[in-house]
Amino acid sequence: ELKVEQNPLFLSMQEGKNYTIYCNYSTTSDRLYWYRQDPGKSLESLFVLLSNGAVKQEGRLMASLDTKARLSTLHITAAVHDLSATYFCAVDDRPGTASKLTFGTGTRLQVTL
Amino acid sequence: EPEVTQTPSHQVTQMGQEVILRCVPISNHLYFYWYRQILGQKVEFLVSFYNNEISEKSEIFDDQFSVERPDGSNFTLKIRSTKLEDSAMYFCASTRTTRATQYFGPGTRLTVL
Repeated sequence: ELKVEQNPLFLSMQEGKNYTIYCNYSTTSDRLYWYRQDPGKSLESLFVLLSNGAVKQEGRLMASLDTKARLSTLHITAAVHDLSATYFCAVDDRPGTASKLTFGTGTRLQVTL
Repeated sequence: EPEVTQTPSHQVTQMGQEVILRCVPISNHLYFYWYRQILGQKVEFLVSFYNNEISEKSEIFDDQFSVERPDGSNFTLKIRSTKLEDSAMYFCASTRTTRATQYFGPGTRLTVL
């Protein structure tokens, strides 16, 4: 059974600081997603990472994937308050069939002034 | 930009009652999904649906649950006899092709009393 773990579970950081969220998964997969969720809201797709060494960047967020280590990271550069949200990684380990996303535990990010 | 819609946004029901949660996926999408998120916890896969049949279902998706695409636009999740532990946020998602990025609806918050 695929297990997806994130750490930390909660992250409080000051504006302007950098930090990294880690996502480990337990089985081979070639497809990993990062989603953002604001309180009481839906899941917004941020990145899809499709191959080993893939790196995607959008604004202050950068995601990378190491399929050999079964690890993805979400790096936050110079955090701003608007980035406060819960971030989930999700792994799709169903090649050739309908998807099934297995989500990590989530990292609640709080950016303080 | 097309989006997934869900109704109602909040449903309150008595234990043992039947509920139907409705979703309108993005119009040219062919794969449909239901997930749930118990308050404060991670998002869990319930079921995937393609070509008018279930592709995969999780252990959570027992005989009390069913899905249907009654017409060309709606995708429904029925819980036949609700339990207290069914209280959660239920998200519908859709994709155009298999293993594409899943787009999530705003969710229905189900409260079982």
